[in-house]
Amino acid sequence: ETGVTQSPTHLIKTRGQQVTLRCSSQSGHNTVSWYQQALGQGPQFIFQYYREEENGRGNFPPRFSGLQFPNYSSELNVNALELDDSALYLCASSLGAGPATEDFFGHGTRLTVV
Amino acid sequence: KQEVTQIPAALSVPEGENLVLNCSFTDSAIYNLQWFRQDPGKGLTSLLLIQSSQREQTSGRLNASLDKSSGRSTLYIAASQPGDSATYLCAVVSYNTDKLIFGTGTRLQVFP
Repeated sequence: ETGVTQSPTHLIKTRGQQVTLRCSSQSGHNTVSWYQQALGQGPQFIFQYYREEENGRGNFPPRFSGLQFPNYSSELNVNALELDDSALYLCASSLGAGPATEDFFGHGTRLTVV
Repeated sequence: KQEVTQIPAALSVPEGENLVLNCSFTDSAIYNLQWFRQDPGKGLTSLLLIQSSQREQTSGRLNASLDKSSGRSTLYIAASQPGDSATYLCAVVSYNTDKLIFGTGTRLQVFP
């Protein structure tokens, strides 16, 4: 176990709704990254937060937004859900935001949009 | 733009075989390469992390090599077991993106 926990495990939402996914980092880690993994694909980077500030963003529209809290836990918010947003959402924590740091992943949240 | 490719996409072998999974990347300017295991519907478990200055890493029955100049990495699994059945993903951190870029994975099934 990596010590990274995500909630909820599964979620079903209707197109157009909004969703919030949560991630608790491994103890001592100050950086959180979020990834989207569509079925049969590799994970794709959404964004990263380092000490409560956004530190890099992938090719995702603004309706994907995030927060990191003082205890370094994090939220991923998605507005105006679309059917293509159905995926496994993975959170990873690391100690530091540098490229040489190792990421530790949670088990993910499976989001289904109907 | 960095692209990561994994071959084969799927593999089915009998127990006991030695396996080689392949990963290639288009831009050799990387900080590191990492191999992950993913069980169906689950998160990622890190198996091996190879820094750009290293040639290989070993953990138990797993050995990963890195040839940065040719843009290739291999994951060698010795004496495969049914419990090794999972999807194996490789990912690189490139100089120009600073974040993990994943391949689409190799789905491995080891049957008794």
